[in-house]
Amino acid sequence: SYELTQPPSVSVSPGQTATITCSGDKLGDYYACWYQQKPGQSPVLVIFQDDKRPSGIPERFSGSNSGNTATLTISGTQAVDEADYYCQAWDSSAVVFGGGTRLTVL
Amino acid sequence: QVQLQESGPGLVKASETLSLTCTVFGDSISSYYWSWVRQSPGKGLEWIGYIYHSGSTSYSPSLKSRVTMSADTSKNQFSLKVSSVTATDTAVYYCARHDPPGTTLAMDVWGQGTTVTVSS
Repeated sequence: SYELTQPPSVSVSPGQTATITCSGDKLGDYYACWYQQKPGQSPVLVIFQDDKRPSGIPERFSGSNSGNTATLTISGTQAVDEADYYCQAWDSSAVVFGGGTRLTVL
Repeated sequence: QVQLQESGPGLVKASETLSLTCTVFGDSISSYYWSWVRQSPGKGLEWIGYIYHSGSTSYSPSLKSRVTMSADTSKNQFSLKVSSVTATDTAVYYCARHDPPGTTLAMDVWGQGTTVTVSS
């Protein structure tokens, strides 16, 4: 079955750029999306179709997908961005999630 | 504004069947795919399966033998059943809508989640 791999944790200083990667075989051939989940809350879609932002998601969130890697970038990271982030793709009629990355804003 | 509401027993005995329902408010379940996703304590998101209003389904390979999903357009609801549950099925269960309509690319609306505990 298809697998997506994320780093367990990423740390960033406030105001800096956070980069979270998601790796999978030929992931660039699929659409990737990203979810943000804060403790005790439901996931929130922050990027869909590789690089599109849903209404209400700040412009500091951006995405890309090429080759074997999808990337979520948060520019000017704020303390409120501290959360778990999950990538997701779709393969052969199955939805696949990455293992999740905990973003810490130090 | 679309809202999803999960409902069902919070406690299920081991070896029995877990049953949950997701009620959709503010939109019709027609035209969209709908998924169930769970999250075990301290763990990541796990996709369980999705259903289309027509009844077409796709399930996670790891759960396929124990999962059944159904949809009731008259009640604007869809449901999940997981049979022969064990402690490893203890989790928060979410229902979610896929968008754009007719695709399974991303989940743009999520329920608040319901906690299910499997007891021995």
